[in-house]
Amino acid sequence: GDSVTQMEGPVTLSEEAFLTINCTYTATGYPSLFWYVQYPGEGLQLLLKATKADDKGSNKGFEATYRKETTSFHLEKGSVQVSDSAVYFCALKNQAGTALIFGKGTTLSVSS
Amino acid sequence: DAGVTQSPTHLIKTRGQQVTLRCSPKSGHDTVSWYQQALGQGPQFIFQYYEEEERQRGNFPDRFSGHQFPNYSSELNVNALLLGDSALYLCASSLGTGKNEQYFGPGTRLTVT
Repeated sequence: GDSVTQMEGPVTLSEEAFLTINCTYTATGYPSLFWYVQYPGEGLQLLLKATKADDKGSNKGFEATYRKETTSFHLEKGSVQVSDSAVYFCALKNQAGTALIFGKGTTLSVSS
Repeated sequence: DAGVTQSPTHLIKTRGQQVTLRCSPKSGHDTVSWYQQALGQGPQFIFQYYEEEERQRGNFPDRFSGHQFPNYSSELNVNALLLGDSALYLCASSLGTGKNEQYFGPGTRLTVT
């Protein structure tokens, strides 16, 4: 069945460092891909999305490119801030468009 | 514009009891999906309701049931609670059952003792 695999955390960075969180997926057809962020004690917020191959999603300095040839959707940010500390989830929605399938999440901790 | 709201925020139940969680969708949305997020894990899809019917179900036992009301709000019921049901239960709303974005509520933290 469809699945999402993302890199294990925690990821610990200093402020202004470059961030990459790897995400790969297994799915039939052409799923939509998402990155969600969860701040402590809160629900999930959509960070960015891409709905077809080679699309680049971007928001708040974060970006990810839908790579069908490598079935990947890696999250990147050029300069992280302390306020970016959170748990990041990669997810896909299959062609039926009903359920989101999430990875296990990657905890990011940024120190000043 | 009110987002997705859930109640209660927290609750504690004993094994074997039954629990009901509630969700009000974002204004204009007609579809509600429920997810279970165990500690340290990603959310797992429980089921989705549209037009007051369960449209799709994830890999959860029949102890998990739901309902959608004419005003699109929804309830999640869990019977015969197990310790393993302790989790954050997230509700997400969307417009229709297709590829439209799902907006999440803050969740209900259920602890089963």
